Amino acid sequence: GAGVSQSPSNKVTEKGKDVELRCDPISGHTALYWYRQSLGQGLEFLIYFQGNSAPDKSGLPSDRFSAERTGGSVSTLTIQRTQQEDSAVYLCASSFTRDTNTGELFFGEGSRLTVL
Amino acid sequence: AQKITQTQPGMFVQEKEAVTLDCTYDTSDPSYGLFWYKQPSSGEMIFLIYQGSYDQQNATEGRYSLNFQKARKSANLVISASQLGDSAMYFCAMRVITGYSTLTFGKGTMLLVSP
Repeated sequence: GAGVSQSPSNKVTEKGKDVELRCDPISGHTALYWYRQSLGQGLEFLIYFQGNSAPDKSGLPSDRFSAERTGGSVSTLTIQRTQQEDSAVYLCASSFTRDTNTGELFFGEGSRLTVL
Repeated sequence: AQKITQTQPGMFVQEKEAVTLDCTYDTSDPSYGLFWYKQPSSGEMIFLIYQGSYDQQNATEGRYSLNFQKARKSANLVISASQLGDSAMYFCAMRVITGYSTLTFGKGTMLLVSP
């Protein structure tokens, strides 16, 4: 597709289970971001991938959260031993980032995670 | 580190009137970009407008304009002739241009347009 694709769109899980959220960025985009948005709140940065550079993991809230990006394209965000406070919409975005470019982010529609 | 502040949790405006959404930012880097995004109730994030720190003129995109005051470190969004479809959450964001960096978002302003 032409846009950023995220799956699943909705995920309901039980506390303590692991979940994986997938993001397929726009082809050719070098940068990929994960954000978390709790109900009625702003966007909380989680992790950022740029090309082959080491990812910026400074936003991950705990060691239960991890993410990888294989082959510079698809990314998977994994949350282990989920807690109720992990319930949120997880947004993925990609951009073609260069110094002379606006680096506008293109967002997916998000994965809504509900932890019971 | 960058910081974005949006002090208006909610704003009300009547249809066809103009409205200004406030945004202030903080960075020590001289080269940066400022963005505004719209998030309607459907949840999608829609890019509205961009302003580079070295741009001489304020950015405009249709009914959207960015009132950029560099010395004050403010980047307010002005929506002219408001429409009912403008009701949404609006986020200001910034990114340092030199090197690679993330996009930092403010907490957002909820805009409600009434008939």
